Amino acid sequence: DSGVTQTPKHLITATGQRVTLRCSPRSGDLSVYWYQQSLDQGLQFLIQYYNGEERAKGNILERFSAQQFPDLHSELNLSSLELGDSALYFCASSARQFSYNEQFFGPGTRLTVL
Amino acid sequence: AQSVAQPEDQVNVAEGNPLTVKCTYSVSGNPYLFWYVQYPNRGLQFLLKYITGDNLVKGSYGFEAEFNKSQTSFHLKKPSALVSDSALYFCAVRDSGAGNMLTFGGGTRLMVKP
Repeated sequence: DSGVTQTPKHLITATGQRVTLRCSPRSGDLSVYWYQQSLDQGLQFLIQYYNGEERAKGNILERFSAQQFPDLHSELNLSSLELGDSALYFCASSARQFSYNEQFFGPGTRLTVL
Repeated sequence: AQSVAQPEDQVNVAEGNPLTVKCTYSVSGNPYLFWYVQYPNRGLQFLLKYITGDNLVKGSYGFEAEFNKSQTSFHLKKPSALVSDSALYFCAVRDSGAGNMLTFGGGTRLMVKP
C-alpha cells in the first residue's frame, strides 16, 4: 500500500457527461501528480500541483481541469466526456516540489465512457 | 524534450534464469531514472532509481539496474527470476533541468514461466 488513495475505483458514465476523480496524497506529501494510462497513449503525465498551486502541465486536454485543496487532496475534473477518455487515471504524490524523489502511485480510477 | 524507449513489448524468461528489461532514454540535462512495476489491477510500485553516483543501483525485490551514460541506457536486471515477477515494467525519466514531468516508456510485459 503506497499510502495514496483514490476514489472511486471504477466509474462508468456516458459521453458528454462530467466526472470528478479524487485523490488523497501520502501523509506529508505536498506534490500531487495526475497521469492517464490508456492502451493507445500509454502512461501520460497530465498535471502537477504543489501545496495548492499548479506547477507543471503535460498533455492535459482543455476539457480537463484539476485543483489541490488546502488539506492537500486533489480532484481531477473531466467534462464533455468522449469515448476516447476511457482510461485508467492515476494520482501520485511526492514530498517536495522540485525533487528527485520517487512518486508514489495510488491504485487508480478506471473510467469507462459509454 | 525528454523521452524513454522500451524496445521490447514482452520479455519471456524461465524461472531461475537471469532477466533483463531494456530501457534507453533521451534528455537534454542530467537524467533522473526510475523503474516501476505494475501488477494487474494495481497502481505502479516504485522499484529503484538512479540520481547520481554508482552506476549499479539496487532496488526492491532483488532487482537492480545499470546506468550507462554513453549508451543512454538504464536496463533493469535480476539474477534469478521468479514466477511472481511476472508483471508490467515501466522505465521513466525526469530531466533534472526541465521541471517535474516524469516521462514513461511504453512498458514491457515480463513473463516468467515455471
